[in-house]
Amino acid sequence: QKEVEQNSGPLSVPEGAIASLNCTYSDRGSQSFFWYRQYSGKSPELIMFIYSNGDKEDGRFTAQLNKASQYVSLLIRDSQPSDSATYLCAVNPFTGNQFYFGTGTSLTVIP
Amino acid sequence: DGGITQSPKYLFRKEGQNVTLSCEQNLNHDAMYWYRQDPGQGLRLIYYSQIVNDFQKGDIAEGYSVSREKKESFPLTVTSAQKNPTAFYLCASSIRAATSSLFSGANVLTFGAGSRLTVL
Repeated sequence: QKEVEQNSGPLSVPEGAIASLNCTYSDRGSQSFFWYRQYSGKSPELIMFIYSNGDKEDGRFTAQLNKASQYVSLLIRDSQPSDSATYLCAVNPFTGNQFYFGTGTSLTVIP
Repeated sequence: DGGITQSPKYLFRKEGQNVTLSCEQNLNHDAMYWYRQDPGQGLRLIYYSQIVNDFQKGDIAEGYSVSREKKESFPLTVTSAQKNPTAFYLCASSIRAATSSLFSGANVLTFGAGSRLTVL
């Protein structure tokens, strides 16, 4: 079983703060890692993906990957109320074409 | 615009009925997927297909059936054997069928808008 674990939250941060979302995975062969945002009643939308150790930045979002610790995180700087959503971590192993999802972390940004 | 179209958006089913959810993509993606999402839970894989006329069971395939007669289409039938079908169903696709290189960053999963099925 290839497991992806996330803290379900809810996580609450004040507007303008940094939100930190964490994800661990069990399959050491995993190669690609994704963060999706899902608003209530809507389908997931891709925020960013990462496949090399280190940080990857895109605007207010930074993904961090540490393969040795089997850990991937998402930082949201200058959090806005519109960032309030559930964030899903997904993992794609090197072989095969399945994507394994965590249960998601609910984030609320308080104005 | 390229994307994935799911229909219907909302569907009501009586117990004992089969229903079919449509999924069409014009992204020229090889692989297509069906996920189920229950309130407060993550996505669970029902079926996936990497190529036309071929598909594999996911973690919760019992009570569901699929077909892949065309690259663009991957309909899901929820049969009467599925005892608790009320859920949010998501169709997705990805560009490549097999991961054969380390260039896996492009193999992004793209979702349709979803279909919400309720059993009356």
